[in-house]
This record gives sequence, structure tokens and C-alpha cells, in this order.
Amino acid sequence: AIQLTQSPSSLSASVGDRVTITCRASQGISRALAWYQQKPGKTPKILIYDGSSLQSGVSSRFSGSGSGTDFTLTISGVQPEDFATYYCQQFNSLPLTFGGGTKVEIK
Amino acid sequence: QVHLVQSGAEVKKPESSVKISCRASGGTFSSAAFSWLRQAPGQGLEWLGRIIPFIGTADYVHRLRDRVTITADEATTTAYMELSSLRSDDTALYYCAIRGSGDFPDAFDVWGQGTMVTVSA
Repeated sequence: AIQLTQSPSSLSASVGDRVTITCRASQGISRALAWYQQKPGKTPKILIYDGSSLQSGVSSRFSGSGSGTDFTLTISGVQPEDFATYYCQQFNSLPLTFGGGTKVEIK
Repeated sequence: QVHLVQSGAEVKKPESSVKISCRASGGTFSSAAFSWLRQAPGQGLEWLGRIIPFIGTADYVHRLRDRVTITADEATTTAYMELSSLRSDDTALYYCAIRGSGDFPDAFDVWGQGTMVTVSA
């Protein structure tokens, strides 16, 4: 199974900061990566798919980049509603796997 | 708009089984891939397996393949996940999820509301 390693596992940021989360795959997955946001008590919400495609209805302050083994989720100007946990997920091959999550907290 | 509605919370004894349903509405689903995932309290997301109803066969995560069975009823657009030989570490919130439309069937933009399964003696 492909392992996904997210870093950092948590971070503190102030409103307006640029936040970057990385996801590294244990083997190449082309661009077959999605990013999700999950708030406490809520279901995950997809932000990015295919490495860099913004899901319809998602704020453009979210962006994704990368291919192969290294991927990045960037929040440009983090807003109060963005404080949540973020997960990457690969869909290049079964079993589908997720990163361990990055908790973004308010500084 | 595509919706997934799951069955209600379950409390089970160790070594018993649980079967959860996930009914889809608002679209056509014969070629959709219904995945099941779970999230233990305070933990991350784990994919359990998936089924494409018109194909009928399911794929599973290896470590649970002896205990999990995923099925689907095309007529009622409902997917099911049964987990047997329950243990305390199976206590989790179980989700079904699909891609509602477009490409990338395993990038989930539609999720069920979650079904809490508690395993306790």
C-alpha cells in the first residue's frame, strides 16, 4: 500500500498568514491526490483533486501543487473558518490511503 | 444534487457483526464507486473498501478483507458494509462516500452523514 506522510502534524497560524502543508507519497502517484478539510464533528470536505484542481465551490485561497511523490496544499491568507484538520488522499492505486492529517490552529 | 443517507448508530458486543446501509439519491449510480471509510475517535481516516454496483465485485483493504463485506443493490441505489468479529478497536464513525459526478471516482465530494458503531461488552 502507498503510504502518505503529511507534515507538519500541526501548526499554529494567524489570520491572514500563508499556510503550507506537504504530503509525500512512498511511491510515485502521478497527480492522483486529493486534499480534504475536516472540522470537528463534521464530514470531510474535498478541496482539491487531481493534485491541483480546485473543487467546485471551494475558495480560491486554497491551491494544490505537485506530482509524483511530493505535493503541497497552500492556504493563501488563512481565514477563521479555515482552522481545521487537513488530509491528503491518494487514488492512484488500491487500497486508497490517507495521510495522518495536519491540524491548523489559531495562533 | 447527490445525497448519501446512512443507517443509524449501532452498539454491538465483541465478536458480533454490524451491517450499515448507505442510500444514494439525486443521481445515477450504476457506475459510481461507493467507498466505505472509518474514523476512530480522535484519529484519521481509513479506507475500508469499495464497490461499483454494476460490476458487483468489491475491493477491500488487505488487513480487513477477512472481516468486511461490501455489497450493493442497484434497484434501491443502496450500498452496504458488514463488519464481522467486531473488536473494541472497530469503534469508529463509519462513512460511505462517492464522487457525485465527473472524473476521478475515488476523490470523494459526497459523503454520508456517518454511522457511529460502538463495540462494547
